[in-house]
Amino acid sequence: EIVLTQSPGTLSLSPGERATLSCRASQPLSSSYIAWYQQEPGQAPRLLVYGSSSRATGIPDRFSGSGSGTDFTLTISRLEPEDFVVYYCQQFGYSPYTFGQGTKLEIK
Amino acid sequence: QVLLKQWGAGLLKPSETLSLTCAVSGGSFSVYYWTWIRQTPGKGLEWIGEITQSGNTNKNPALKRRVTISMDTSNKQFSLQLSSVTVADTGLYYCARGGASDQWGQGTLVTVSS
Repeated sequence: EIVLTQSPGTLSLSPGERATLSCRASQPLSSSYIAWYQQEPGQAPRLLVYGSSSRATGIPDRFSGSGSGTDFTLTISRLEPEDFVVYYCQQFGYSPYTFGQGTKLEIK
Repeated sequence: QVLLKQWGAGLLKPSETLSLTCAVSGGSFSVYYWTWIRQTPGKGLEWIGEITQSGNTNKNPALKRRVTISMDTSNKQFSLQLSSVTVADTGLYYCARGGASDQWGQGTLVTVSS
């Protein structure tokens, strides 16, 4: 099973700042099979980015994904107040598909 | 607009079988894979399994012996059964579309308690 490790566990930043969230895989993955989700309290996760760098429908362009091999990154270029929630990475290239443990973005 | 609506029993006793169904409306059913995911306090987000357009299933080995995933194409529904539940199976269960899941159900809170 591929283990995804997200860092940091909690990221404290201010609105307007840039956020960089990391996801490291226990073995190399094709970037085609990495996705990032945002989860607000009490809601289902929402797909942000898939195939490592493609934005899902309706996702603002301040969200971007990158990476290859074992290291993948979600970048939020300018934080808005509604961005301060939890983010998860996922790999869906090797069964069982797995998720990282999440990064909580909090207001500094 | 695609909508996934799920339902099923929310309170179970240990050893019972969890049964959930997800209905898809507003979009195509037969061209996608359909997925079950759960979120538990112990393991966070956990992929349970998926069913393909042709009805083949792919399950998480950790749950494989207890999981059944099926679909009813004519009614655009797919279902999850998880047998012999324990307290560790308590959590939020979601149906979703695809490997990179772009549409999700509203979630069903399942509590296993004696």
